[in-house]
Amino acid sequence: EADIYQTPRYLVIGTGKKITLECSQTMGHDKMYWYQQDPGMELHLIHYSYGVNSTEKGDLSSESTVSRIRTEHFPLTLESARPSHTSQYLCASSFIAPRDETQYFGPGTRLLVL
Amino acid sequence: AQSVTQLDSQVPVFEEAPVELRCNYSSSVSVYLFWYVQYPNQGLQLLLKYLSGSTLVESINGFEAEFNKSQTSFHLRKPSVHISDTAEYFCAVSAAGSNYKLTFGKGTLLTVNP
Repeated sequence: EADIYQTPRYLVIGTGKKITLECSQTMGHDKMYWYQQDPGMELHLIHYSYGVNSTEKGDLSSESTVSRIRTEHFPLTLESARPSHTSQYLCASSFIAPRDETQYFGPGTRLLVL
Repeated sequence: AQSVTQLDSQVPVFEEAPVELRCNYSSSVSVYLFWYVQYPNQGLQLLLKYLSGSTLVESINGFEAEFNKSQTSFHLRKPSVHISDTAEYFCAVSAAGSNYKLTFGKGTLLTVNP
């Protein structure tokens, strides 16, 4: 089982504030992902990374940005939070083929923007 | 492109009853299939997966799923459920050539009643 951590678990913040959601993994995984999940809905991929200095946009357009300066760390930043950003954000990681690419998820961050 | 359909959004059952959560997928290429479970206010946990080999896969807590290529299905079953199995269950597919991107279904809420 992968060890993947997200902080904070819950965040309530006012409109216009800059926020950074942290994600770290200790499994040596190359690939990392960010998903957005609204209540009762499926997960949508918003960002992913193959490794250091690699970042790609996912299927769902997002105003957030990501960086990958260290293999184990993949933070997500919102420069100016808005109520439409209220959601749950899930981080995941995996190896890259030919290794097993099963994705393992963190506990998530629930964001509420007032 | 691949897609996943979870036919039931909610499945209520009584404790110790059998349960089946249905999942169908569409893909024109070979696939990997996953079931994830999400307990309230938590992230996703991998329940079981099919990568290759035996089409029947099992989890450590009594769930099993069978990959049926002709019916493009990967239904999840458990012969006797417990109250603690109450959670949201997500089926996901990763297709060869999709850069191993995971596509999720909308989820099935399993509620086990005493």
